[in-house]
Amino acid sequence: GAGVSQSPSNKVTEKGKDVELRCDPISGHTALYWYRQSLGQGLEFLIYFQGNSAPDKSGLPSDRFSAERTGGSVSTLTIQRTQQEDSAVYLCASSLDRPGIFGYTFGSGTRLTVV
Amino acid sequence: GENVEQHPSTLSVQEGDSAVIKCTYSDSASNYFPWYKQELGKRPQLIIDIRSNVGEKKDQRIAVTLNKTAKHFSLHITETQPEDSAVYFCAASYSNSGYALNFGKGTSLLVTP
Repeated sequence: GAGVSQSPSNKVTEKGKDVELRCDPISGHTALYWYRQSLGQGLEFLIYFQGNSAPDKSGLPSDRFSAERTGGSVSTLTIQRTQQEDSAVYLCASSLDRPGIFGYTFGSGTRLTVV
Repeated sequence: GENVEQHPSTLSVQEGDSAVIKCTYSDSASNYFPWYKQELGKRPQLIIDIRSNVGEKKDQRIAVTLNKTAKHFSLHITETQPEDSAVYFCAASYSNSGYALNFGKGTSLLVTP
């Protein structure tokens, strides 16, 4: 597609439920990143995928968070047993190789509300 | 982890004036410094970037300067317009695997007519 696509755009879930957020990067982009943006805050790095390499999970806040990237393209971020503090906008970004060379393109995000 | 500090958190200027936003970083291996603009309810958009082998870069009303020795970089917007009102984020690449970007907390810029 022309841009980074994320779905759903909005998700309201009950505390304790699991949620899956999807990111479809720009075709041909080998690098994919997940960030979290809480209200009025900056962008918090969560996880990074580059090609077939093992992902950099250093930003995941707890073991309730996990992510997969299948076939080097679509990625799914899963949050298990959601808590109210998980409420945020989850942004996905992709780039050709490393962002230091080509920069990021962000998706529109998924706004997650845990009630 | 590596930090990017951004100041000020809010900035209000009159139309036509200049706006300056400053950031500092801690990872000496950082080599790429982009700036993103985020309008309310929208995705962050790259507006300008600079690499460590360059000290200054300009694109029309926007310029970025980098001082690698002092580990700080700045965004300058001249002749501000109301449509420049947005949240601006600076970022620095960090040398953990993947060179992901570490973002500042953002500056909310308001340009009043």
